[in-house]
Amino acid sequence: EDKVVQSPLSLVVHEGDTVTLNCSYEVTNFRSLLWYKQEKKAPTFLFMLTSSGIEKKSGRLSSILDKKELFSILNITATQTGDSAIYLCAVDYGGSQGNLIFGKGTKLSVKP
Amino acid sequence: NAGVMQNPRHLVRRRGQEARLRCSPMKGHSHVYWYRQLPEEGLKFMVYLQKENIIDESGMPKERFSAEFPKEGPSILRIQQVVRGDSAAYFCASSPGTGFAGELFFGEGSRLTVL
Repeated sequence: EDKVVQSPLSLVVHEGDTVTLNCSYEVTNFRSLLWYKQEKKAPTFLFMLTSSGIEKKSGRLSSILDKKELFSILNITATQTGDSAIYLCAVDYGGSQGNLIFGKGTKLSVKP
Repeated sequence: NAGVMQNPRHLVRRRGQEARLRCSPMKGHSHVYWYRQLPEEGLKFMVYLQKENIIDESGMPKERFSAEFPKEGPSILRIQQVVRGDSAAYFCASSPGTGFAGELFFGEGSRLTVL
């Protein structure tokens, strides 16, 4: 069965810390892996990864994919309270367009 | 605001009633997707629609659930004879008709509570 597993499920850090969120997957026909940030509103897109070893970076956030070991990590450096959110990992497994398998998310809380 | 618009944001129904959730895609988008998020669970794909066509409904429960995206107006997710297990957040997402690059644009969700 296709699945996406995120760890940890929750994490509490202090401002300024660096965090690493993990996403592993088992799917039949991998096309891409996506990261989203979900606050109390709509999930917002962060990154899409298709190739191994190529880091995607946006400000203090970065992500990389390992297609051999079937996982991705999302790094956040110098965390701020505004980074508090649920981070979702999703995989395009080769179904119809937009049919993604999501993990349960990692709830990140950044304390001042 | 040209984002994906969902309404109502919150809906309370009693068991056996009908729930209708609406979604207007982002301006210029013609593809709509519905996802359901149960408590403590990840987002689960339900259905993918284009204007007047259901492309993939593999994630829709076989009974009581239906979806449409008419030529004019918003996409509608309809749940008949709701049960407590239907209580969830229902998210709509949209994407462009051409040049899909993998990114889905999500609405803020409709939270259904069944009493």
